[in-house]
Amino acid sequence: SAVISQKPSRDICQRGTSLTIQCQVDSQVTMMFWYRQQPGQSLTLIATANQGSEATYESGFVIDKFPISRPNLTFSTLTVSNMSPEDSSIYLCSAKTVSNTEAFFGQGTRLTVV
Amino acid sequence: GENVEQHPSTLSVQEGDSAVIKCTYSDSASNYFPWYKQELGKRPQLIIDIRSNVGEKKDQRIAVTLNKTAKHFSLHITETQPEDSAVYFCAAIGRDDKIIFGKGTRLHILP
Repeated sequence: SAVISQKPSRDICQRGTSLTIQCQVDSQVTMMFWYRQQPGQSLTLIATANQGSEATYESGFVIDKFPISRPNLTFSTLTVSNMSPEDSSIYLCSAKTVSNTEAFFGQGTRLTVV
Repeated sequence: GENVEQHPSTLSVQEGDSAVIKCTYSDSASNYFPWYKQELGKRPQLIIDIRSNVGEKKDQRIAVTLNKTAKHFSLHITETQPEDSAVYFCAAIGRDDKIIFGKGTRLHILP
């Protein structure tokens, strides 16, 4: 199994600012993903974080708004840029070791934009 | 891309009774189907999963069935207990290894 540490756990930010969320895995993983979960809703995939190359974004999400880094196999960051109240949500990172196996989740970052 | 539909959105069952949650998927190439339980304020936790070469899997009070032809899979919880109250998500993983979630089922276990 993999243990994922995500930080910060929560933050309150002013609109127009940016927040970077960090995700650290305790072992090398092949795939890392970033999800958004709005209150009472399901998890929506934002992007796949690719090691050493640009992230792959899902429809409706763009790099300028959600830049992602993955400098190595155990670490990734998601930045929420130029925030507005609509960005208030929980953001979760996820990691998988190999195909067709369990995905593990970080504890999530609860973001409130005021 | 993959699309996962989940029903019902809310389910209330009497303690001790069974609960069934159903999901369908669209991509016939999907081959791994996990179920996650999420308690309030916590991260999703895997409770059971099934691969496409298996039709049924059971783990104590929890079972999952898969019908590849019809592209649907179901979660069965027997002898429900208060601690089963949570939100349950089905998911499908396809050829691109991305996990696509259903919209979730809020399960209430009534005393």
